[in-house]
Amino acid sequence: GAGVSQSPSNKVTEKGKDVELRCDPISGHTALYWYRQRLGQGLEFLIYFQGNSAPDKSGLPSDRFSAERTGESVSTLTIQRTQQEDSAVYLCASSLVALYQGAPEKLFFGSGTQLSVL
Amino acid sequence: KQEVTQIPAALSVPEGENLVLNCSFTDSAIYNLQWFRQDPGKGLTSLLLIQSSQREQTSGRLNASLDKSSGRSTLYIAASQPGDSATYLCAASNTNAGKSTFGDGTTLTVKP
Repeated sequence: GAGVSQSPSNKVTEKGKDVELRCDPISGHTALYWYRQRLGQGLEFLIYFQGNSAPDKSGLPSDRFSAERTGESVSTLTIQRTQQEDSAVYLCASSLVALYQGAPEKLFFGSGTQLSVL
Repeated sequence: KQEVTQIPAALSVPEGENLVLNCSFTDSAIYNLQWFRQDPGKGLTSLLLIQSSQREQTSGRLNASLDKSSGRSTLYIAASQPGDSATYLCAASNTNAGKSTFGDGTTLTVKP
């Protein structure tokens, strides 16, 4: 597709269940980011994939959160044993690789997955 | 640790008015500062990106300025239209853009 695609758009789950969120980046984009956005707040960085390098997991809030990416394509964010405080919109963004530290990098965002934990 | 603050949290103006949205950041050692627009139920759309060596960027009715020394950026919207109604977020980047620190946003309503 032409843009970043995320699925599902909405997910309602019960506390304690595991959930998987999917992101399809723009073809050719080597960088992929996951964010969490709580109601009325800005974006919290979660994890960053760049090509075949080890992912930057510095934003993951707990070991219940993990993410994988297959090469330079699809990524899945998994939340185990969900808690009510995990309720948020989870956004994915992709970009072409920044050629140098601090290079202008335009981010393209998906529409997000609204996760509700009951 | 970088902190980004946006004031006001919400703004309502009549159509046609010029307006300014404010963004302040605590760590001036940034590479870039970006302004994004977010519509309800949608992701973010990049509006303007200002590199640290630049003072401003313009796109159509939008003008963004950057003053690193004071830790401030402003987004100026000229001749506002109802279609400008959205939440505007700024993000300061101390590393690569995707790891930027985001403000909580200003929700703008432009009344016809």
